[in-house]
Amino acid sequence: GQNIDQPTEMTATEGAIVQINCTYQTSGFNGLFWYQQHAGEAPTFLSYNVLDGLEEKGRFSSFLSRSKGYSYLLLKELQMKDSASYLCAVRDGDYKLSFGAGTTVTVRA
Amino acid sequence: ETGVTQTPRHLVMGMTNKKSLKCEQHLGHNAMYWYKQSAKKPLELMFVYSLEERVENNSVPSRFSPECPNSSHLFLHLHTLQPEDSALYLCASSQSGAGTQETQYFGPGTRLLVL
Repeated sequence: GQNIDQPTEMTATEGAIVQINCTYQTSGFNGLFWYQQHAGEAPTFLSYNVLDGLEEKGRFSSFLSRSKGYSYLLLKELQMKDSASYLCAVRDGDYKLSFGAGTTVTVRA
Repeated sequence: ETGVTQTPRHLVMGMTNKKSLKCEQHLGHNAMYWYKQSAKKPLELMFVYSLEERVENNSVPSRFSPECPNSSHLFLHLHTLQPEDSALYLCASSQSGAGTQETQYFGPGTRLLVL
């Protein structure tokens, strides 16, 4: 089966940096996605990695190491609105995304 | 911003009821998905439709029945559900094909409570 692990909860201070780790063991690999989900809302797409390395998008960056089955999402200059759940998902074949349980990030003033 | 809409947003039903969830995507995508999201659990893929053909069915109980009449609409018909089926049901769509990133875009979900 597919196994995708990420921490359950993280807390950080406004203006700080937080790194959310994701490790995966899947039968195949065809890309890794990060989504943000605010309570009661739809998951929204943040980033996509298919090759090793760092992808930067403004305050958010995502890193992938395929040999280690490892990714992280880096959130910089945290804002209160960044309080949300962050979902790591691996595409392991056609169509199918396998998700981790999500990391709830709480940003404190 | 999302190009995927779902109705109703909230639904309470008894175990003997029949109801349907509706999803519509306005993104011109060719694949649509149903997911179940329970508290503290990963999203579970239920069904996938590509070009209106079902391509994935993840051992979902027959009390859930999907329907995809065209590439923009997806339904989930519910019949004699159990209390453990209470969850958030999310619809998503993507553009699938060679050379595409195939990012899935989600609707806001239907919060279902089965009594």
